[in-house]
Amino acid sequence: EAGVTQSPTHLIKTRGQQATLRCSPISGHTSVYWYQQALGLGLQFLLWYDEGEERNRGNFPPRFSGRQFPNYSSELNVNALELEDSALYLCASSLDFGSNLYEQYFGPGTRLTVT
Amino acid sequence: QQPVQSPQAVILREGEDAVINCSSSKALYSVHWYRQKHGEAPVFLMILLKGGEQKGHEKISASFNEKKQQSSLYLTASQLSYSGTYFCGTDTGNQFYFGTGTSLTVIP
Repeated sequence: EAGVTQSPTHLIKTRGQQATLRCSPISGHTSVYWYQQALGLGLQFLLWYDEGEERNRGNFPPRFSGRQFPNYSSELNVNALELEDSALYLCASSLDFGSNLYEQYFGPGTRLTVT
Repeated sequence: QQPVQSPQAVILREGEDAVINCSSSKALYSVHWYRQKHGEAPVFLMILLKGGEQKGHEKISASFNEKKQQSSLYLTASQLSYSGTYFCGTDTGNQFYFGTGTSLTVIP
């Protein structure tokens, strides 16, 4: 069974630009979560999508946005990049929220560097 | 909203036991535990639900005190492979947050 995949692996952008990160969940999983992990820090919740709808978002500015497509893959967009946006962005997927024991499976992450 | 974990860091010798605690200020539906090794993505360990149902790792156990909104992860007879950062994740019904993390190092 293929795991969660993310692309690109690395992304280098300059301040003010836009970044687009992509995630493909495990087949059968309908929920996708996005997390930001700055160097040496924990996992900060960004966004949660389920069945194409945004279910919740963390304490991040509106320039962090995303969407989930009909095939449940997801995209995270970060506009007007700032230096502090440099981090590892992790995507996770799980069975739908109503499945109780819905552990999250993480992808390898996208390393975003803003210069 | 981010749950608080304690201790922040712990060093163990192989074979020793450890307890990692996770505390939330909000009522919880479930608590998840994950381990992240350096340079790798987090990996699922356990889920504990209100009412006692749980799913997880054979050699790792955990408890969930619903009234206190606290969970503890018990690592017994630690092995070198247990080294990593442990995160609890708390589900309040419509929000999910990972804890501050606990760095665990097992030495020979």
